[in-house]
Amino acid sequence: KQEVTQIPAALSVPEGENLVLNCSFTDSAIYNLQWFRQDPGKGLTSLLLIQSSQREQTSGRLNASLDKSSGRSTLYIAASQPGDSATYLCAPTGNQFYFGTGTSLTVIP
Amino acid sequence: DTAVSQTPKYLVTQMGNDKSIKCEQNLGHDTMYWYKQDSKKFLKIMFSYNNKELIINETVPNRFSPKSPDKAHLNLHINSLELGDSAVYFCASSQTSGGQETQYFGPGTRLLVL
Repeated sequence: KQEVTQIPAALSVPEGENLVLNCSFTDSAIYNLQWFRQDPGKGLTSLLLIQSSQREQTSGRLNASLDKSSGRSTLYIAASQPGDSATYLCAPTGNQFYFGTGTSLTVIP
Repeated sequence: DTAVSQTPKYLVTQMGNDKSIKCEQNLGHDTMYWYKQDSKKFLKIMFSYNNKELIINETVPNRFSPKSPDKAHLNLHINSLELGDSAVYFCASSQTSGGQETQYFGPGTRLLVL
């Protein structure tokens, strides 16, 4: 069974800082890995999807990397803004789908 | 237009009742999912349907029965509701063919069993 761990569980940073969210998973037999954000009381919004053959994906201020062999992915957020405050979830996808427990991010104005 | 929609958004009901949650996607995707997010925010997959066929059924009690009348709809019926069923239920969809597997989520249905 896939186990997905996200560190840190919570993070609070001042506006403008660059930050890194970490995701580790135990089963490297995955097809892809997705990063989502979840706003309080809302559903999930897909941010980035990295195919298993890729090393990274970029979208705006977001950059996600994937090291499948070591079971790690990182989400880098550049120049953080208060609007980035949310919970960030990673989801490695193999034959089944598992989500990490999330990192709750607060960006302080 | 809403890509993945769920009804109702909120559901409060008594223990022992039977209830249904509906999900529709207008993205033309071939796969739909139901997830449960508990009070600790753990998100776990319950079911996945690809072209109207069940392809994943995690260890979910058989009180939960997904029904897919067509590939744009995946409804969740729950019999004999229990207190522990209280959670947020998310529907999602994706296109598994052609390499585009990004999952799109609905807004969630908040179920409270009293």
